[in-house]
Amino acid sequence: GAGVSQSPSNKVTEKGKDVELRCDPISGHTALYWYRQSLGQGLEFLIYFQGNSAPDKSGLPSDRFSAERTGGSVSTLTIQRTQQEDSAVYLCASRRPANTGELFFGEGSRLTVL
Amino acid sequence: SQQGEEDPQALSIQEGENATMNCSYKTSINNLQWYRQNSGRGLVHLILIRSNEREKHSGRLRVTLDTSKKSSSLLITASRAADTASYFCATDKNTGNQFYFGTGTSLTVIP
Repeated sequence: GAGVSQSPSNKVTEKGKDVELRCDPISGHTALYWYRQSLGQGLEFLIYFQGNSAPDKSGLPSDRFSAERTGGSVSTLTIQRTQQEDSAVYLCASRRPANTGELFFGEGSRLTVL
Repeated sequence: SQQGEEDPQALSIQEGENATMNCSYKTSINNLQWYRQNSGRGLVHLILIRSNEREKHSGRLRVTLDTSKKSSSLLITASRAADTASYFCATDKNTGNQFYFGTGTSLTVIP
């Protein structure tokens, strides 16, 4: 596609349920990032994938959070046993290879945990 | 944390005025970027300034970088109502792989 695509755009779930958020980066972009943005706040780094290298998971807030990137393209962020504090917008971004900057962001997935 | 901090948190100006936002960060960087976010949308890249640059222009945008003070400023000249958005600075580690975003400045331009 022309841009970074994220789905679902909105997700409402009950506390304790698992959720999966999907990111389809721009074709050919080797780097993929997940960020979390709570209401009115800045972006919190979660995880970074670069090609076939081991992902940088240093931003994941707990072991309930995990992410994978299959085939170097689509990525899925999974949150297990969701808590109310997980409510936020989850943003995905991708970056061209050999590029020192400019992240291309999707529109985000808004997660609400009741 | 290497997260940047923008100042002010909120800014309200009249259309046609200039808007200045500041960003401070904590450690050495390769480059600093500014992004814009309209309400409920993703972030859009505006401009990138490298650590060896002091000033950069793009249209109505002017960015300065002072690495000795670990600070940057974004100036939007002749503001328009359509400039209403949140503006974030983003810095990277020396590896250039991780990007850390500030808390943002919410700009309101009154027509």
